[in-house]
Amino acid sequence: AQSVTQLGSHVSVSEGALVLLRCNYSSSVPPYLFWYVQYPNQGLQLLLKYTSAATLVKGINGFEAEFKKSETSFHLTKPSAHMSDAAEYFCAVSGDNDMRFGAGTRLTVKP
Amino acid sequence: ETGVTQTPRHLVMGMTNKKSLKCEQHLGHNAMYWYKQSAKKPLELMFVYNFKEQTENNSVPSRFSPECPNSSHLFLHLHTLQPEDSALYLCASSQDRGGQGGTGELFFGEGSRLTVL
Repeated sequence: AQSVTQLGSHVSVSEGALVLLRCNYSSSVPPYLFWYVQYPNQGLQLLLKYTSAATLVKGINGFEAEFKKSETSFHLTKPSAHMSDAAEYFCAVSGDNDMRFGAGTRLTVKP
Repeated sequence: ETGVTQTPRHLVMGMTNKKSLKCEQHLGHNAMYWYKQSAKKPLELMFVYNFKEQTENNSVPSRFSPECPNSSHLFLHLHTLQPEDSALYLCASSQDRGGQGGTGELFFGEGSRLTVL
């Protein structure tokens, strides 16, 4: 069975600071990994995905994530936070079954 | 038309009402999903339809009744709901289900915010 764990339900950073949202996965087969973003009262929007090509994946809005098989991790980063990045972020895994989501991390950006 | 469209965006209903949520996808996908998102809880997968056939029902109470008349449309019929059913209901679609050759990448609608009084 596959699963993801997001470390930290709430992360707060200052505008211009590094954003790091952590995700670890468990999968019995090579995984497909995703990060989604959700703004208030909206659906989930795909930020980026890893599908077994390059391990460093670049997404929209300046975000990127690196697949590290040895650490079973897929952490999301952005060098400089913007106020508009405040949202809920979900890590997800698929591969041997339907997509499974983490519990989410709420990102707050302080001015 | 955007990829996945949900109507209505907001719905308020009493516990004795009957209402329906509608989802339509314009992506030519084969699988469609209903998720429930409650405050401070993880996303809950409710139902999965693959090629119009229901393939998963995650112990959802019978007061929620899904219907998938074709690969592009998905409904969630609601009757005699409880206040704890108040949540954001998200519809999603994917080209193929995860574990069946594709990535299982999901495309979401904007959601239907349901309030049960």
